[in-house]
Order: sequence, then C-alpha cells, then structure tokens
Amino acid sequence: DVKVTQSSRYLVKRTGEKVFLECVQDMDHENMFWYRQDPGLGLRLIYFSYDVKMKEKGDIPEGYSVSREKKERFSLILESASTNQTSMYLCASSVQGAATNEKLFFGSGTQLSVL
Amino acid sequence: GEDVEQSLFLSVREGDSSVINCTYTDSSSTYLYWYKQEPGAGLQLLTYIFSNMDMKQDQRLTVLLNKKDKHLSLRIADTQTGDSAIYFCAESMEYKLSFGAGTTVTVRA
Repeated sequence: DVKVTQSSRYLVKRTGEKVFLECVQDMDHENMFWYRQDPGLGLRLIYFSYDVKMKEKGDIPEGYSVSREKKERFSLILESASTNQTSMYLCASSVQGAATNEKLFFGSGTQLSVL
Repeated sequence: GEDVEQSLFLSVREGDSSVINCTYTDSSSTYLYWYKQEPGAGLQLLTYIFSNMDMKQDQRLTVLLNKKDKHLSLRIADTQTGDSAIYFCAESMEYKLSFGAGTTVTVRA
C-alpha cells in the first residue's frame, strides 16, 4: 500500500513564525500536492509538483512556498504564519500518467493552529 | 471548490440507501471521482467514473453520471455505521482535481 506520511498530526505556532510542514511518500510517485481543508470550503490546492525541483502554484499560493529537493519529499513552508492560515493541511501524491494523475493518495493531515 | 457543488449534510438510517449528489462545471473532465474521509484521516479514493460512462457499480456503491446536466451521484446501498464520513466529489481539470466542499454523512441506528 502507498504510504503518505505527514510529520506532525497537530502543530501550534505563533503569528510571524516560519513553519515547515513535511510530507514523505514511499511509492516513487512523481506528483505531489499540498491542499488545505476548511469546513464548508472543501479542499483547496496550494501548490503541486510534477518532478524534483519543480513546483507549480495552485489556487491559493499566497503566503506559502514549497520545496521538493528529493522525489519522495515535498515540504510546505509558511514564511510568516498568520491566524488565517489556521487549517488542516493535507499532502497527497499520485503516479504520473493520463489515467493516474488524479488518483491521489493522501496523508492523514496536519492540523495547524496559529495563535 | 466553487466549481463543484454538493450538499453539506446527509442523515440516513442504518440499512437504508444513501444518495449523495454533486454538480460540476467542466464538461471536458475525463474522470469524476468520489473520495471518502473518515474521522481523523486523510481522503481515500472510493470510486471514479470515466466521462463516457453513465453508470458504474462496485459492490454497494453505484455512481450515476448525467453529462448533459453535469450531475454526479453516489448511491450507497444498505448503509452501515462504518459509512459515516465526509464524501467529496471531484472533477479533473488539467490533471489536477477540483473538490467540492464535502457531504457529511451521519448514519443513525
């Protein structure tokens, strides 16, 4: 089974802090994604990556950056955390291919609270 | 996502059928998906349907697709307590997924 592991289940940070959310997948997937999940809004795509050192903005990239130095690891960075970034963050991966790009495997999520 | 709409809540009695409805906007979507999120967990792919199909059945799950109305539904037969979860409809857009807000299904005894 594919395993997508997010380093923390819960995080509490202060406004202005730099925050790193880590995600590792063990199935050699090319595609990796970061979403945030908010009640009533569903999942919104922050950033994604189709290859090492490659990144693309999603629908809500403002206030975030990402890093993909190795194929298995995709990091989400909040340069200066703000209270409106309090959310559940979900990492996902998928195999590259027309029929498989969208069959996502998700981690369990990181609930981030910014005080 | 604002392009995919679904109702937020559904309450169903154990043993009854559940029907979750979804409307989407992109008629060029190749696949349409249903994902399930159990409490405290990430999403898992439940089922999907290719856009040239009208129906797909997988054990207790039936997916119906009406391309003309851009309407997708998921029917769960003989709903069990383990089916309590949030169900997300998603459409594909340029190899990315656009998700609805999720329907929280509560199964009551």
